[in-house]
Amino acid sequence: GAVVSQHPSWVICKSGTSVKIECRSLDFQATTMFWYRQFPKQSLMLMATSNEGSKATYEQGVEKDKFLINHASLTLSTLTVTSAHPEDSSFYICSASALGLYEQYFGPGTRLTVT
Amino acid sequence: KQEVTQIPAALSVPEGENLVLNCSFTDSAIYNLQWFRQDPGKGLTSLLLIQSSQREQTSGRLNASLDKSSGRSTLYIAASQPGDSATYLCAVRGVYGNKLVFGAGTILRVKS
Repeated sequence: GAVVSQHPSWVICKSGTSVKIECRSLDFQATTMFWYRQFPKQSLMLMATSNEGSKATYEQGVEKDKFLINHASLTLSTLTVTSAHPEDSSFYICSASALGLYEQYFGPGTRLTVT
Repeated sequence: KQEVTQIPAALSVPEGENLVLNCSFTDSAIYNLQWFRQDPGKGLTSLLLIQSSQREQTSGRLNASLDKSSGRSTLYIAASQPGDSATYLCAVRGVYGNKLVFGAGTILRVKS
C-alpha cells in the first residue's frame, strides 16, 4: 500500500513556457502533499507543503508565483512551473502523507529539462 | 533550524564488507528519523524508520540505530552486495509539523 505516482516521469520544455507535474496518491487519501527539488549531486530541498483544500505553504526563497501548487483533492496535487528557465531544470519529487501515518510516501520523481 | 549531516559523502567497498553510514542532526527534538535509498535518476525508497522513542530498527541486512540525545544515527549494512550501490539519505522529522529535513547523502559503491 501507500503508493504515490508522478506524471510525467520526464519532460523537456522550451524557456518561457509552463509545465505541469502531477502527483497522485493511488491507494490512500493524502491530506498533505510535499514538493521537493533535487539538483544534481545534491539532496532534496523542500519547496512547499500543501494541505488539501488550502493554499500551499512555501519555504523561504521559493517563489510562489513561479511554482504554482494546487491540491484540490485528497489524491491529486499539481506543481506548475511557470515561465520556466534553464535554471529551473531539476528533479522534482513529491511525497504524500495522511492522518495517522508516521511517514511520507514518495513519488518516483519528474526530471524537468528547460532548453 | 535543523541541520542534518551525513558522513562519509562517498564510500567504496569490496563486496562482502560490513559498513556503517553516519547521520547527525543538530536539534534533538525529533519525531522520527528515516533512512532512504535513492538509485540514480530515481525516487526514494524508504529503508527504515525509527520513532524517537526507539533505539533501533532492523530489516534484513540493514540495522539503523538512533541516539536522540547525542543527535546521531547509524545505518549498518551487513555483507554488502553490488546491488546495494546507491545513495543513502537520512532525514529527520521534527516534533512540530511534519516536514522532513534531509542530509546530503552518502554515495555507496560496492565493488564485485
